[in-house]
Amino acid sequence: AQTVTQSQPEMSVQEAETVTLSCTYDTSESDYYLFWYKQPPSRQMILVIRQEAYKQQNATENRFSVNFQKAAKSFSLKISDSQLGDAAMYFCAYRRAPVGAQKLVFGQGTRLTINP
Amino acid sequence: DSGVTQTPKHLITATGQRVTLRCSPRSGDLSVYWYQQSLDQGLQFLIQYYNGEERAKGNILERFSAQQFPDLHSELNLSSLELGDSALYFCASSVGDKTYEQYFGPGTRLTVT
Repeated sequence: AQTVTQSQPEMSVQEAETVTLSCTYDTSESDYYLFWYKQPPSRQMILVIRQEAYKQQNATENRFSVNFQKAAKSFSLKISDSQLGDAAMYFCAYRRAPVGAQKLVFGQGTRLTINP
Repeated sequence: DSGVTQTPKHLITATGQRVTLRCSPRSGDLSVYWYQQSLDQGLQFLIQYYNGEERAKGNILERFSAQQFPDLHSELNLSSLELGDSALYFCASSVGDKTYEQYFGPGTRLTVT
């Protein structure tokens, strides 16, 4: 079974600084997708960024980028120029490629605090 | 706003009772997923439906059941409720059953007293 581990329960960063959230996963599959979801105090789950395992290039969405290390099974999220609105729980998630169950497997989350 | 709607937003009920949570997927999405978020178990997949048919089951209790109707809305039925069933229940939808992006609704917070 696939597992996702986020080893940092809490992180904090100064506004305008850069922060990196860590995620590792375990799978025997070679083709899969990885995601970062943000859950602000409103509890809404918001997709931040996705990465296809077959792509070597790291995904980027504005101030959010990932460092995908397939061999190490590592998928970290970097937030640049942190803003107060980035404060939230961040979940790393895994989904196998289009064969079989399409469920998302989530990590336990990292709570990110932005200090003004 | 993801386009996925869930009702009700909050639900408070007593142990032993039965409740129904409702989800309407984004327009055009055929797949619906249910997830449970609790303090001790985190976010866990319960069940997936695609165009009315069950596609995958996760850690869903036998006391729980779901269905997807011809208009593609879905309902999650929770019966014989226990205190431990208190959680946030999310519905997510995607275009196909193999599409990688799932969009989440705002969730239904269930409190069992």
